[in-house]
Amino acid sequence: DAGVTQSPTHLIKTRGQQVTLRCSPKSGHDTVSWYQQALGQGPQFIFQYYEEEERQRGNFPDRFSGHQFPNYSSELNVNALLLGDSALYLCASSSGGLYSGANVLTFGAGSRLTVL
Amino acid sequence: AQTVTQSQPEMSVQEAETVTLSCTYDTSESNYYLFWYKQPPSRQMILVIRQEAYKQQNATENRFSVNFQKAAKSFSLKISDSQLGDTAMYFCAFWGEAYSGGGADGLTFGKGTHLIIQP
Repeated sequence: DAGVTQSPTHLIKTRGQQVTLRCSPKSGHDTVSWYQQALGQGPQFIFQYYEEEERQRGNFPDRFSGHQFPNYSSELNVNALLLGDSALYLCASSSGGLYSGANVLTFGAGSRLTVL
Repeated sequence: AQTVTQSQPEMSVQEAETVTLSCTYDTSESNYYLFWYKQPPSRQMILVIRQEAYKQQNATENRFSVNFQKAAKSFSLKISDSQLGDTAMYFCAFWGEAYSGGGADGLTFGKGTHLIIQP
């Protein structure tokens, strides 16, 4: 049973460019969350998608946007990249609607973004 | 807003020893969950153990157990009979059910503790 898969695993962009990261949730999961993990830090919550809508959002600017497709997969888009956007971007999936502590979050291995 | 603090950036112990990782948190919520996640070099976050705040009994998963002190807002992880495969970053995390506006802002993580198990 495949877990959460993310692509690409690594990518390099320059300042001002745009990037799209992709995530396929674990089979049976319908909710996708995205986290940003800067070097030496814990992950920070970006947003959560359920039923193809953004349901919850952390403290991130509008340059960060997303999408969820009917098959529950998701994309994270970042516009006008800054050096500070360099990080590991983690996708996590769960089932049963909006995530609560009672659900199990399954994480992917992340996409490592480097902005030059 | 809640915060999670892990005061040990790095710890190193010998194989088979017992090690305790510390975590403190700050919240005004009464209904919440606490977690320990492991992140090995493969980068994938793996849930180690979970504790529901309203449960008095400390959670246990095989060699992993927690010491949950609700009044002190402390949530430490004990790893018994440590193994080489336990080498990883360990993150303490919090999820709370916010009353105002509903929902919650995902998990709040600490900065992590790098645990090294020496052979």
